[in-house]
Amino acid sequence: GEDVEQSLFLSVREGDSSVINCTYTDSSSTYLYWYKQEPGAGLQLLTYIFSNMDMKQDQRLTVLLNKKDKHLSLRIADTQTGDSAIYFCAESMGISSGSARQLTFGSGTQLTVLP
Amino acid sequence: EPEVTQTPSHQVTQMGQEVILRCVPISNHLYFYWYRQILGQKVEFLVSFYNNEISEKSEIFDDQFSVERPDGSNFTLKIRSTKLEDSAMYFCASNEGGFGEKLFFGSGTQLSVL
Repeated sequence: GEDVEQSLFLSVREGDSSVINCTYTDSSSTYLYWYKQEPGAGLQLLTYIFSNMDMKQDQRLTVLLNKKDKHLSLRIADTQTGDSAIYFCAESMGISSGSARQLTFGSGTQLTVLP
Repeated sequence: EPEVTQTPSHQVTQMGQEVILRCVPISNHLYFYWYRQILGQKVEFLVSFYNNEISEKSEIFDDQFSVERPDGSNFTLKIRSTKLEDSAMYFCASNEGGFGEKLFFGSGTQLSVL
């Protein structure tokens, strides 16, 4: 079945760039997502990329997609202490039953930003 | 910004009891979902709902579970005869449909079955 893998932990210094990596197995993925979860909070949609794109930039966030290697990354520029959270990668399979978005999530990467 | 709201934020129940988790999806959204996250495990898809019926469900979503849209705004997940292993964070989500690629999640309901 589909699988999404992420490294569990990442620590960076405040002001540095963070790069969170993700690999997935389903070649029919249509959308790939990054969600952020702060302690006690829900899943906040950060950004997403359509599978026919290689890159998407949104302010401090840059998403890179290597479809051949099934590798997705999220780069956070000028990382701040407020960016400390768990970051989840997720893929949406090929559209089924209309536009239902059944997501497969990775385990999440705990990003710790050190002052 | 519109958001998905879930109540309660925490629910404690005895094994064998029935619980109903409530969600108010974003008002113009057409697709609704329940996901869950058992402590230390991945977020897992349970069910999607569209046009007043289930459109997809995972193997987790067995006869113990049911979903309902009782009125124009609420979306509920009922768990009959809860088991210890049902303890998890349950997330409701919604999206517009069509090319609605943005899937928005609520803050979750932490269910503890004792």
